[in-house]
Amino acid sequence: DQQVKQNSPSLSVQEGRISILNCDYTNSMFDYFLWYKKYPAEGPTFLISISSIKDKNEDGRFTVFLNKSAKHLSLHIVPSQPGDSAVYFCAASANFGNEKLTFGTGTRLTIIP
Amino acid sequence: ETGVTQSPTHLIKTRGQQVTLRCSSQSGHNTVSWYQQALGQGPQFIFQYYREEENGRGNFPPRFSGLQFPNYSSELNVNALELDDSALYLCASSSTMNTEAFFGQGTRLTVV
Repeated sequence: DQQVKQNSPSLSVQEGRISILNCDYTNSMFDYFLWYKKYPAEGPTFLISISSIKDKNEDGRFTVFLNKSAKHLSLHIVPSQPGDSAVYFCAASANFGNEKLTFGTGTRLTIIP
Repeated sequence: ETGVTQSPTHLIKTRGQQVTLRCSSQSGHNTVSWYQQALGQGPQFIFQYYREEENGRGNFPPRFSGLQFPNYSSELNVNALELDDSALYLCASSSTMNTEAFFGQGTRLTVV
């Protein structure tokens, strides 16, 4: 049972445009959500997070939106840059501060110059 | 501040053998989690260690076991290797003060 789903395996976006990556979850106990970015031959790198008490968190070019009623979150990257090309994983945890993460299957983002 | 380091980076083992993977946590971090990432999948939680005690386990059989040492480094042991154990094994460390887990580069295990 996939509790965290990323339904788009891949996404291509023109450089300078907005990239929107989506994630859905089914477990209502999840209260903390994270996005990780992964380059080949490297471990996932933390990007941005949001707790369930918020509906938006922004850090530079990255913004995460959380819609608890829809059990949906999205990551917006604007403007997109070639270095953003990577696999992006959505992850969730129950019990804020608990690092036992449940990951989605990832979305491969390709930024076209 | 040193990051999370894992060894070895690549490993080939034969079915039925045993393997030990190692992880040095980031300075100041007292919690280590292990994940298995199969090809085309997201990382799957194996277990977590906090101050040398197991603090939660995912849906993995008992032949997956671990240890955490007083310096908070950790080992993952897998007995009776199966072909399906072939995957990238990721170690992540964190502290009770932070919620983000920082990952190592992983160990690519191939079972033949």
